[in-house]
Amino acid sequence: KQEVTQIPAALSVPEGENLVLNCSFTDSAIYNLQWFRQDPGKGLTSLLLIQSSQREQTSGRLNASLDKSSGRSTLYIAASQPGDSATYLCAVCSGNTGKLIFGQGTTLQVKP
Amino acid sequence: DGGITQSPKYLFRKEGQNVTLSCEQNLNHDAMYWYRQDPGQGLRLIYYSQIVNDFQKGDIAEGYSVSREKKESFPLTVTSAQKNPTAFYLCASMGQGDAEAFFGQGTRLTVV
Repeated sequence: KQEVTQIPAALSVPEGENLVLNCSFTDSAIYNLQWFRQDPGKGLTSLLLIQSSQREQTSGRLNASLDKSSGRSTLYIAASQPGDSATYLCAVCSGNTGKLIFGQGTTLQVKP
Repeated sequence: DGGITQSPKYLFRKEGQNVTLSCEQNLNHDAMYWYRQDPGQGLRLIYYSQIVNDFQKGDIAEGYSVSREKKESFPLTVTSAQKNPTAFYLCASMGQGDAEAFFGQGTRLTVV
């Protein structure tokens, strides 16, 4: 059974810091991995999608990497801003079943 | 505009009643998913469907039922057998190819 773990559960940083969020998964037979952002009481917004054959994806100040063999992904946020405060979730799509399984999320607070 | 729509945004249910949550997408996606989110928690998979007229149980299907009679619609019924239905429910769809998932804005269900 695929299990997805995110560390840390919560993070508080001053504005301007670079930071890394971690995601690990137990079954390397994935189709892709996706990072999402969730604001309180809202749905999820897709940030980055990495296919199983890719190593990283970049969008603006965000960079996501994928190491399928070790079952790990990282989301790097450069020059953090208060507007980045949200919960960040990673999800893996199983290559065998099509299931989309989520981690518990990392709640980020960026202080001005 | 293409997207995924959940309704209603807020729903109140009396104990012992069944309620149905709506999820409609116009993205021409084959796969659709239902998740439950409890406060401070990640997303747990209830049901998913990869094609019309077919669906599979997720990790917490007990007390829920779904149908997939049309490609664009995947309604979720919360039955009276679900003992703790108060939660935030999220619906997602995913297309072929890069299989990026998109989410609706959620339905908050409260038992009164």
